[in-house]
Amino acid sequence: QLQLQESGPGLVKPSETLSLTCSVSGVSISTSTYYWGWIRQPPGKGLEWIGSIYFSGSTYYNPSLKSRVTISIDTSKNQFSLKLSSVSAADTALYYCARLRVTTIGFDSWGQGTLVTVSS
Amino acid sequence: QSALTQPPSVSGSPGQSVTISCTGTSSDIGLYNRVSWYQQPPGTAPKLMIYEVGNRPSGVPDRFSASKSGNTASLTISGLQAEDEADYYCSSYTSSTLVVFGGGTKLTVL
Repeated sequence: QLQLQESGPGLVKPSETLSLTCSVSGVSISTSTYYWGWIRQPPGKGLEWIGSIYFSGSTYYNPSLKSRVTISIDTSKNQFSLKLSSVSAADTALYYCARLRVTTIGFDSWGQGTLVTVSS
Repeated sequence: QSALTQPPSVSGSPGQSVTISCTGTSSDIGLYNRVSWYQQPPGTAPKLMIYEVGNRPSGVPDRFSASKSGNTASLTISGLQAEDEADYYCSSYTSSTLVVFGGGTKLTVL
C-alpha cells in the first residue's frame, strides 16, 4: 500500500528556510516510472506546483519559485525533501508531496498535506 | 509560468450535467495530451480523476468524462450527485517547466 507522509516544522520565521521531508512507503522511490513532487495550497486558494525530482536527481522547478527552491532525494531512506529559502507570509500554505507518473504527468498519489505557517 | 484558466465556479442540480473548462496555450494543452483533472472535497487532499485527457483511473465513476479541443480541455460530470461537490483542478504537461495547474473551479450541487 503506497503511502506518502510529509513531515517538518509547522511554524517558520520570516526570512528563514522552510524544510520538509516526504517519506514514501510501500514502493521504492528508485523507479523510472515516476517523478516525486511538491505542491502547495495557500489557505482558501488553489494548487501551485513547486517542483519535482526524478530518482536520478534531475529536478524541475516552478519558475516563480526556482530561485528559492531546492528539492533533493535520498534513495537509501526512500524519501525526498523540499527546502524553500527566504520565506515570507506569502509562503504560508498546506504543503503536499505527491507521486507523478512520467508517462501521463498525472499526480496519482498524494500525502495528506502539512500546514506550514510563516510568522514571527 | 501562467496558470491554466478555469472558471471560478459552476453549479448544477442533482442529476444534471456540468462542464468545467480549462484553457491553456499551444505550449501545454494545445501541444500535449497529458492533461489531468483532480477532485478536492473540502479538507482533503486532491484525487486524480482523469489522466491523459480522457482516461479514468480505476475506481473513478464513468459519470466523469473529459476531452480536449485545441488549447482547451473540458471535464464533464453527468448525473450530478451531492458527493460531487468539491473543487476541481486541471493540470497539463508543459515542456518548459514540466507541470502547470489551473486555478481551480468550485462545483456547487444545488
